[in-house]
Amino acid sequence: DAGITQSPRHKVTETGTPVTLRCHQTENHRYMYWYRQDPGHGLRLIHYSYGVKDTDKGEVSDGYSVSRSKTEDFLLTLESATSSQTSVYFCAISESEQGGSTDTQYFGPGTRLTVL
Amino acid sequence: KNEVEQSPQNLTAQEGEFITINCSYSVGISALHWLQQHPGGGIVSLFMLSSGKKKHGRLIATINIQEKHSSLHITASHPRDSAVYICAVGSNQFYFGTGTSLTVIP
Repeated sequence: DAGITQSPRHKVTETGTPVTLRCHQTENHRYMYWYRQDPGHGLRLIHYSYGVKDTDKGEVSDGYSVSRSKTEDFLLTLESATSSQTSVYFCAISESEQGGSTDTQYFGPGTRLTVL
Repeated sequence: KNEVEQSPQNLTAQEGEFITINCSYSVGISALHWLQQHPGGGIVSLFMLSSGKKKHGRLIATINIQEKHSSLHITASHPRDSAVYICAVGSNQFYFGTGTSLTVIP
């Protein structure tokens, strides 16, 4: 199994509070991704990173920011959580040097976030 | 709009049955992936295809690029195959289907 952990695994928070989710990898892979998974939508890309301090937006980036100050850590921040951000969040990594869909992605265990 | 459509959404089978899950897509792709999501939530990659067919154990995946269609077959299904199977396609980024929930009954 690829070495990917996510923390916390479960979180309940209130509307308007900031939340940070952490993805940690031990594989030294270049590409890291944050997805959210919601019923009826499948996985959707929030942000991704192609190196330290190099990030880009995905399909559903509004309301989220990311940071990657070290190869092994990719943080997802909800500056002011809303109920629409209640979801399961998955981190993924890819060993590709180019990114894109021709490489296998390895997924973390997920974080279940509930915003009340 | 959904770039990736899977069918069926839900599938129940008896142990030992041959199972087919279908994926159709509408975007140009470099590759197609089949993923398996376990009841506990973990997601693992089963196959990556850009043409033809791949086999791993009892699982077979095929893709027809011209028809923009892929199938995942499970031979001699077993209760441990019960999971959600997700199709993902893309070039620079992934588009994911909503998944097919498979239950195999002993």
